[in-house]
Amino acid sequence: QQQVKQSPQSLIVQKGGISIINCAYENTAFDYFPWYQQFPGKGPALLIAIRPDVSEKKEGRFTISFNKSAKQFSLHIMDSQPGDSATYFCAANTQGGSEKLVFGKGTKLTVNP
Amino acid sequence: DTGVSQNPRHKITKRGQNVTFRCDPISEHNRLYWYRQTLGQGPEFLTYFQNEAQLEKSRLLSDRFSAERPKGSFSTLEIQRTEQGDSAMYLCASSLRGTGADTQYFGPGTRLTVL
Repeated sequence: QQQVKQSPQSLIVQKGGISIINCAYENTAFDYFPWYQQFPGKGPALLIAIRPDVSEKKEGRFTISFNKSAKQFSLHIMDSQPGDSATYFCAANTQGGSEKLVFGKGTKLTVNP
Repeated sequence: DTGVSQNPRHKITKRGQNVTFRCDPISEHNRLYWYRQTLGQGPEFLTYFQNEAQLEKSRLLSDRFSAERPKGSFSTLEIQRTEQGDSAMYLCASSLRGTGADTQYFGPGTRLTVL
């Protein structure tokens, strides 16, 4: 049972465009939703995270939109750059317990110059 | 650099051999996690420690896997009698419990290839 479903599997965007990656979760106990960025041969690095008490969080060119009733959240990358080309993972956990992260399967983003 | 470090970065072994990986967390982080990532998939939780206590193990962690965190500092993950299905990237992450979001910081991983 996949608790966090991520789409699309791959995404190609032109430089300057908007990249949008979507995730849906099933476990209503999840209360922390981070996005990680991973380059080949590297470990995942935290990009931005949100809690369900807010509907949107923005950090620079990166924005998370959160819809609690639909159990969905998405990552928007504005003004996408070739350096953003990486694999992006959404994740979720429940704060206060083990806080083990449950990850989506990832989206490989390619930003063409 | 004071991030999470993992050694070795790559390990090639023959089926049936034992392998051991090491993770050094960020100094003073009291939680340490092990995840496994296969090609084209997101990381999957294996186990975690709070200080030296191993508090949870995933069903993915068969009897051939054992993890330790002596003295609550570095951790080791040992796989006995390796199988080809063990080939994956093994990731370590650490966090400081009690700081709010408890962000997990990942190391670069150890890529295991079982021939």
